[in-house]
This record gives sequence, C-alpha cells and structure tokens, in this order.
Amino acid sequence: AQSVSQHNHHVILSEAASLELGCNYSYGGTVNLFWYVQYPGQHLQLLLKYFSGDPLVKGIKGFEAEFIKSKFSFNLRKPSVQWSDTAEYFCAVIYSGAGSYQLTFGKGTKLSVIP
Amino acid sequence: DAGITQSPRHKVTETGTPVTLRCHQTENHRYMYWYRQDPGHGLRLIHYSYGVKDTDKGEVSDGYSVSRSKTEDFLLTLESATSSQTSVYFCANRESVTDTQYFGPGTRLTVL
Repeated sequence: AQSVSQHNHHVILSEAASLELGCNYSYGGTVNLFWYVQYPGQHLQLLLKYFSGDPLVKGIKGFEAEFIKSKFSFNLRKPSVQWSDTAEYFCAVIYSGAGSYQLTFGKGTKLSVIP
Repeated sequence: DAGITQSPRHKVTETGTPVTLRCHQTENHRYMYWYRQDPGHGLRLIHYSYGVKDTDKGEVSDGYSVSRSKTEDFLLTLESATSSQTSVYFCANRESVTDTQYFGPGTRLTVL
C-alpha cells in the first residue's frame, strides 16, 4: 500500500535554530507532494507544494522543501524557526493514477519552539 | 482559501445515535472529501465525492455514509455512532487548476 513516513513524532527546538523535518513516500512513480501546517486548534493550511520543475520549492513563512526523487523524499526546512512556528506539520502525497486525487498523509510531526 | 464551512463545530452524542455533519463550500469545486484526524494517525480519508450524487469510499469508510445532492454541500452521516468514531472531522475541496486540497475548520465529535 502507498504510504508516507514522517520520521520525527515530536521535535523541540529553540528559537533561531534551523529546522529539517523528514518525509519519505513509498511509491516510485509520479507524485505530487505537499506540506501542510496545523496551528493549535486550527485547520490544515497549505505551506507549499511540488508538482514538477525545480525540486527546491519555496513556501509561505520562510519554509522550503526539496524533492529528491532518488530518495523518495520531500524534506521540509526553515533556516531559523520562531515561536510562532509551533504547530503540527503534515507531509502528503497524491500518487498519479489515483482517480480520486486522494491525499495520503503522514502521521505528522509536532514542532515545539521554545522562546 | 477553501471557502468551506462545517457544522456543527462541536458535538457530543451518545453511542447508537445517528449523527450528520455538514460541509458547505462557496466555491464550485467538483471534488470534496471527508477526513478524520486522530492522534498518531494523521488524516485518513473516509469518503470523497467527484460530483453531485457521485461518491466513493476512502480508507476508513466503515460506519460512515455520505451524500451530495448539490455541488456546494457534502454530508457525512454516522448511522449509529460508536465511541471509536470520536474524532475531529475535516472536510476539504479540491481546486482543479492547482490540484490542491483546501480544508475546512473541522468538527470535533465526541461519542459517549
């Protein structure tokens, strides 16, 4: 079955530290890739997405992600986190051929940023 | 912006009672989705719709049914709620031009 793995369940960082959250997907075909963020008590918001082209994608709030096809990875990065980045982050994939355009989600990584 | 509202936003009910959750979109998107979110599981697809009266099952569809009689409304029904259906339910729509799903604010359902 197609799946998405997020390696870290909970990451704790101090403000200004650099962030990298891992995401790997299981399928070797064409994929569309997404990172969503969920702030406490809120709904999911799109951070960034990759469909094709430049594998380094820039999103909102200073986040970026790099698609490495050979590693089936789409890691999320931010050079300097802020307290306001405290949230849960979800990696998601649409596998080509999925007529439902269904998103398969990872289980999420909770980020806590300490002031 | 998804232009999605969900109602109710919070509901407490008892085991065995029927429950209907409503999702309304102001956009005219063809695809709509119902997910549930549980700690340690991320979001899992319950059902989706690809048009009026066109629906299909997702990963965790047992115990749920859906209906879509109008483009803007997508209803999720728990025919006989169980405690295992305590969860946060999110509706989403898909913007076809960007192939991106946008989510509503969620409904927190507690089944006692």
